[in-house]
Amino acid sequence: EIVLTQSPGTLSLSPGERATLSCRASQTVSNNYLAWFQQKPGQAPRLLVYGPSTRATGIPNRFSGSGSATDFTLTISRLEPEDFAMYYCQQYGSSSKMFGQGTKVEIK
Amino acid sequence: EVLLVESGGGLVQPGGSLRLSCATSGFIFSSYDMNWVRQAPGKGLEWVSSISNSGITIYYADSVRGRFTISRDNAKNSLYLQLNNLRAEDTGVYYCARDRGPSDSWGQGTLVTVSS
Repeated sequence: EIVLTQSPGTLSLSPGERATLSCRASQTVSNNYLAWFQQKPGQAPRLLVYGPSTRATGIPNRFSGSGSATDFTLTISRLEPEDFAMYYCQQYGSSSKMFGQGTKVEIK
Repeated sequence: EVLLVESGGGLVQPGGSLRLSCATSGFIFSSYDMNWVRQAPGKGLEWVSSISNSGITIYYADSVRGRFTISRDNAKNSLYLQLNNLRAEDTGVYYCARDRGPSDSWGQGTLVTVSS
């Protein structure tokens, strides 16, 4: 099964700054089927970006995804107050749809 | 509007069983694969199981294979997860999610607590 490793574990930034989150796979993700989710406390995850650069419906264009094979990145161009949350990557190219362990984006 | 509503969670003793349900509306349920994902308290997301739109193809995480059973009733627009031989480490919020490749719509989850 593919293991996803996210880095950093925590990202401390100020509103308006750029956030760069990494997701590295232990083997090639088939068809680059890699998705990013945002989760806030007490809420269900929300799909942000998939495939790996297509934004989900209603997602602001400050969120962008990139990468291929084993290395993927989620970029938030300018952090808004509502963007401080947990972020998870997930591969859906194989039957075992594993998640990464998450990156917390916190206010500095 | 796409809606997914989980139910059936609760407190159960180790070794016990529960059946989770996910009632859906707002989309053609029989056209979509579906997933269960769980989250232990204070921990990350863990994919649990997937089922194809027809119910024929099923996958499980190693951690639950042989103990959990996913199923669906397309006539009732509902997804199920039977949890048997529960362990303390199965404690968490269980989410059902619609699969469009990635999971694009999620329920709010139902809490399962395994404790004596």
